[in-house]
Amino acid sequence: DAGVTQSPTHLIKTRGQQVTLRCSPKSGHDTVSWYQQALGQGPQFIFQYYEEEERQRGNFPDRFSGHQFPNYSSELNVNALLLGDSALYLCASSLEPGRTANIQYFGAGTRLSVL
Amino acid sequence: AQKVTQAQTEISVVEKEDVTLDCVYETRDTTYYLFWYKQPPSGELVFLIRRNSFDEQNEISGRYSWNFQKSTSSFNFTITASQVVDSAVYFCALTGMDSNYQLIWGAGTKLIIKP
Repeated sequence: DAGVTQSPTHLIKTRGQQVTLRCSPKSGHDTVSWYQQALGQGPQFIFQYYEEEERQRGNFPDRFSGHQFPNYSSELNVNALLLGDSALYLCASSLEPGRTANIQYFGAGTRLSVL
Repeated sequence: AQKVTQAQTEISVVEKEDVTLDCVYETRDTTYYLFWYKQPPSGELVFLIRRNSFDEQNEISGRYSWNFQKSTSSFNFTITASQVVDSAVYFCALTGMDSNYQLIWGAGTKLIIKP
């Protein structure tokens, strides 16, 4: 049973560039959430996708956008990269979001460095 | 608003010692859920436990135990007979209707187990 997989593992970009990160959810899961984790801090919620729509969004600018495909995999896109975007980007999958707290399972993350 | 406080930034103990990681939370919800995750150096957040607010029974899983006390809004995590492999950053998280069922994370406690 494959867990959550993310690619690439590491990425180096320069300011102003654009980046796309990818995530495949755990088998049987249909909901994908993205988090940004700066060094020494807890994860910060970016957004959540379910049924190919953005269901919830955290306090992140429009430079951060995403997509979910029919097979439930997801992409995170960041435009006009800033130095402050350097972080570990984590993808988590879970079952349908609802009125309860489904367990989120995380991938190993993509380490993005912006120079 | 919901909030999670992990006051211990870093804890260092010698192998085989017992260690307790503290977690204090704030919420207006009457129904809420608490989580603990482990983040080893590889970066992947590993789910450890989920507890809902109506279940105040302490839980034990091998060397791990959790003490949920609603009266003090705490959900502490104890590792008995610690091992070097327990070295990681441990996060406590909270969710409920007040956060639209998104996880609110503490800042994490870095646990170092010395051989």
